[in-house]
Parts: sequence; C-alpha cells; structure tokens
Amino acid sequence: RKEVEQDPGPFNVPEGATVAFNCTYSNSASQSFFWYRQDCRKEPKLLMSVYSSGNEDGRFTAQLNRASQYISLLIRDSKLSDSATYLCVVNRGSNYQLIWGAGTKLIIKP
Amino acid sequence: GAGVSQSPSNKVTEKGKDVELRCDPISGHTALYWYRQRLGQGLEFLIYFQGNSAPDKSGLPSDRFSAERTGESVSTLTIQRTQQEDSAVYLCASSLAGGPQNEQFFGPGTRLTVL
Repeated sequence: RKEVEQDPGPFNVPEGATVAFNCTYSNSASQSFFWYRQDCRKEPKLLMSVYSSGNEDGRFTAQLNRASQYISLLIRDSKLSDSATYLCVVNRGSNYQLIWGAGTKLIIKP
Repeated sequence: GAGVSQSPSNKVTEKGKDVELRCDPISGHTALYWYRQRLGQGLEFLIYFQGNSAPDKSGLPSDRFSAERTGESVSTLTIQRTQQEDSAVYLCASSLAGGPQNEQFFGPGTRLTVL
C-alpha cells in the first residue's frame, strides 16, 4: 500500500461546479498535511496547508480526518484556471520528509 | 525576488554517461531538497540539506547518485553511469528553514532523458 494514495482522475467538471477529492495516508503519526497544485510540465506550488479544524481559503476548503486518515479538498465555483493536478502531501510521522501522492488531475470544461 | 533556479532545463544523455544537475536556492533559505518525478507519478524524495548539518541521503536510489551543497547556496546532483530508468524530471526545492511545516519553493526542474 502506498503511503499516500489519491484517485488519479481525471475529474472532468463543468465550469462553476463544485468538486471534491480525497487523499488517504497510512502513517498515523503524520502531523503536517498540504495540498500542492502542479500545472502541466510545471513545478508544484503550495495551494494550502491543512489544519486539524479544517480551513478555507477563498473557494478552497481543506479538511482533515485523523480517525480515518484522510484529507480532502473542496473547490467551489470552479474556474477554467483551476485545471491542474492536485498533489496531496503528508509528512512521514515526526520526520521532516514529505511524502507526495501521485496527484489527482482536474479538468474544468467551459 | 528571484526564485529557485535549476540548470540545465533539459538534458539528453546516453546510457552510461555521467550528468550533473544544478540548483540555486532562494537566498537565505537554509533547507534544500532534491526530488525525482517520473511521468504521471508523485515526487520521490532523494536528499535533504539543512544548514551545516549532515545531509539526509536516505532517498538516494543507488550509489550512482550523489549530491553536494556549498554552504547554504548552490547544490549539485550527480548521477554516474546513467541508466534509462533515471529518465525523469529532477526538482529542487528550498525552504526558509527545515521542518515539514515550512513551505517548499520549487525550481522549474531539469528534464533528464537517458537514451
């Protein structure tokens, strides 16, 4: 089993719709969680950190469920520019090393 | 300000040759990471430098891979006797300090193709 698992997609979503994807992680000692965004043939960029109580940044909402060991990302009112691959990132227990999921590809259609 | 830069952006080499990849981190960032990303896959940790501490080389896939960093500046990743399975994008990232809570800023990567 991979340490961080994501549905690879692609998710094909009409512009303006709401879309959500999950990520599961295997290390119950993980403490730090992130969503990064990666555009095609570009480097990853931090989208948002994920906090225990859940957090929101504009149209983006991240949730953490420690009991079930998953994190989620919800995008409301999706824009064409949201098309990208979303990478779930978790630290390896108390270690600083980050474990990266393979990403979920999102395609927003007009 | 200037972000993380990497060179070359693309490298095509023949199997068995050595290659050297360069990373210039953001000035003042003490932590530097190297990752490998194969097509359609997530990032694979290779090595981590933090200040003057001994680097964490636990992610290096074989002894053909090595990396150095000069103080808190430029780093080079060297792959000796390249193999076709080394073909990937090699990404460098830096952060203000070590620790997973610090945002990592990535360079554009070096796309390595081994023929």
